[in-house]
Amino acid sequence: EDQVTQSPEALRLQEGESSSLNCSYTVSGLRGLFWYRQDPGKGPEFLFTLYSAGEEKEKERLKATLTKKESFLHITAPKPEDSATYLCAVQAGGGYNKLIFGAGTRLAVHP
Amino acid sequence: DGGITQSPKYLFRKEGQNVTLSCEQNLNHDAMYWYRQDPGQGLRLIYYSQIVNDFQKGDIAEGYSVSREKKESFPLTVTSAQKNPTAFYLCASSMRGAAGNTIYFGEGSWLTVV
Repeated sequence: EDQVTQSPEALRLQEGESSSLNCSYTVSGLRGLFWYRQDPGKGPEFLFTLYSAGEEKEKERLKATLTKKESFLHITAPKPEDSATYLCAVQAGGGYNKLIFGAGTRLAVHP
Repeated sequence: DGGITQSPKYLFRKEGQNVTLSCEQNLNHDAMYWYRQDPGQGLRLIYYSQIVNDFQKGDIAEGYSVSREKKESFPLTVTSAQKNPTAFYLCASSMRGAAGNTIYFGEGSWLTVV
């Protein structure tokens, strides 16, 4: 069964304290791995798509990496405005653009 | 501005009532989706549509219905058959076709049973 697990469930950081969020997946025929940011009461905001193992993408303080079994979202020198829930989703083989989501990691960055 | 507009933001449903959530997009996307989000769980797919006048059930379609009469519109009706409808509902859209197309989301609608 296709499955996505994110860890930790919640993470508290001090401003400037770098860390990583993990997304482990089991899926038949990965077509893409997506990272989203979600603020409370808002819809998810697209961050990155990764397609193959070894691929990396960066945006400001965020860097996403992908292996055959997991993806990491590295946050370098975070600021309070990086506080949000980060969602990971995978697109498996199939006839349509179905995404399987993890439950998310709630990140709180304190000054 | 291009985007996905959901309305209303907050909706209350009485027992036995059907309610409809609106979703409109001006991104010229062919595919549209409805997801449900509950605390501590990942987003779950309710229905999706890849083209006008065609739609398919997702993982949790029971108690919901949709229509796709126009490319830009994909309303979701939560029927009285849905026993636990209180949740955050998200509409999304994407280009159709090639794998890996990014799915973009609206701002969501909160539905509460009273």
